[in-house]
Amino acid sequence: SQQGEEDPQALSIQEGENATMNCSYKTSINNLQWYRQNSGRGLVHLILIRSNEREKHSGRLRVTLDTSKKSSSLLITASRAADTASYFCATLDQTGANNLFFGTGTRLTVIP
Amino acid sequence: DTEVTQTPKHLVMGMTNKKSLKCEQHMGHRAMYWYKQKAKKPPELMFVYSYEKLSINESVPSRFSPECPNSSLLNLHLHALQPEDSALYLCASSQVIGSNQPQHFGDGTRLSIL
Repeated sequence: SQQGEEDPQALSIQEGENATMNCSYKTSINNLQWYRQNSGRGLVHLILIRSNEREKHSGRLRVTLDTSKKSSSLLITASRAADTASYFCATLDQTGANNLFFGTGTRLTVIP
Repeated sequence: DTEVTQTPKHLVMGMTNKKSLKCEQHMGHRAMYWYKQKAKKPPELMFVYSYEKLSINESVPSRFSPECPNSSLLNLHLHALQPEDSALYLCASSQVIGSNQPQHFGDGTRLSIL
């Protein structure tokens, strides 16, 4: 399976703290994306980082990518209760199949 | 509100029924996708359409039949489903297949098979 692994599976923090989620993947990639899913809803795209990029910022989000270790991290700073959701990394591989493979996800709970 | 609209939001059907899930987008995207998501699991790709033609079929049972009538619409026809097919079915679209552009997801249809 090309599915990525995320850790931790679940994370619970106090509002205002930072949250870090990690993603590992198996194949060479074109890009890596992070998505958020609120309970019972669809996925919302957060940020995309290309294979030749090492770090990217968007508001309170910071994503890093280490292609030598086949890993990425998502940092959410100054968390809010509204950040409570599941977060998935997803990779677009270079095999030509052009499929988006999702990681196992991290369930984040931000306590007000 | 999402830019990809899926109907119905919920569907309960028996194993002998025939039903269809619908997905619509008006962003001019030429790639559309069907995913299946079980509880507490990541989405799993089922089908990909590129310019209204089926591009990828991830070994999905024939009881699921996709259709792309035009560039804005995507259907998933269901027939003789099994209880294990109960899941959230998500539709997504992107500008083109395999691009450095994100996929836009609908809120899904929650399907329950009795």
